[in-house]
Amino acid sequence: GESVGLHLPTLSVQEGDNSIINCAYSNSASDYFIWYKQESGKGPQFIIDIRSNMDKRQGQRVTVLLNKTVKHLSLQIAATQPGDSAVYFCAENAGGTSYGKLTFGQGTILTVHP
Amino acid sequence: EAGVAQSPRYKIIEKRQSVAFWCNPISGHATLYWYQQILGQGPKLLIQFQNNGVVDDSQLPKDRFSAERLKGVDSTLKIQPAKLEDSAVYLCASSQRTGPNSEQFFGPGTRLTVL
Repeated sequence: GESVGLHLPTLSVQEGDNSIINCAYSNSASDYFIWYKQESGKGPQFIIDIRSNMDKRQGQRVTVLLNKTVKHLSLQIAATQPGDSAVYFCAENAGGTSYGKLTFGQGTILTVHP
Repeated sequence: EAGVAQSPRYKIIEKRQSVAFWCNPISGHATLYWYQQILGQGPKLLIQFQNNGVVDDSQLPKDRFSAERLKGVDSTLKIQPAKLEDSAVYLCASSQRTGPNSEQFFGPGTRLTVL
C-alpha cells in the first residue's frame, strides 16, 4: 500500500546547529502533511503542517518544505536545542474520503549534544 | 486544558490472555482515534470514531481486537486473545472534528508487553 518513509533513521547535531530531517512519501494523492515530535514515554506532538498547494511554511524555529515533484518533505529546525532531542515523524493525509486518516513514516531520532 | 488521558500506562500479560485499555479524550472532542505503535515504527491507525460511530476500522484485526465508544466520550480497546506481535504502545488521540484540518492530540499511550 501507499507509505511514507524517511531517508535517515538517526541525526546527531551540536546545540545551536540547524537540523534538517527528511521524509519521502509515495502517495501522489496526499494533500496534507504534518510533522510530529515524540519524546520518550509521550505521545506524538504536533509541530507544523503544510498543504499540497504550498511549498514552504514557517513556524517558530521550524520550517517545512514540500517538493511535490519528487514527493519529498523536510523539516528544518533552526538553532537546535537539547530539548529538541526526540523522534520526529512525518505523516500524510490522502484527502478525499480518508476522513483525516494519517499515515505515519518510520521516524528519525534527533540527538542534540550540548 | 486537560490532555488525552490513558490507562494503564504499562501492562504485561502472557499470550492468549485478554487486555483492555481505556481512553478519555479532550473534553468536547468529537473524534477519537486508536493507534498501534510498534517499537521503531510510526503509529498505525487501528480505528477512528466520530462521536459513538465508527468512521474507519479497516486496519483493526477484528478477529482479536475490538473497540467501543458507547456514549461518545470515553473509549476502550480490547485484545482477546493477545499474541506476541501485539506488543506495542497503544496511543489514543482526539480531535475536535473529523477531517485533516482538525489537529489530533495524543495521549501518553499504554505500553503493552506480551510474553
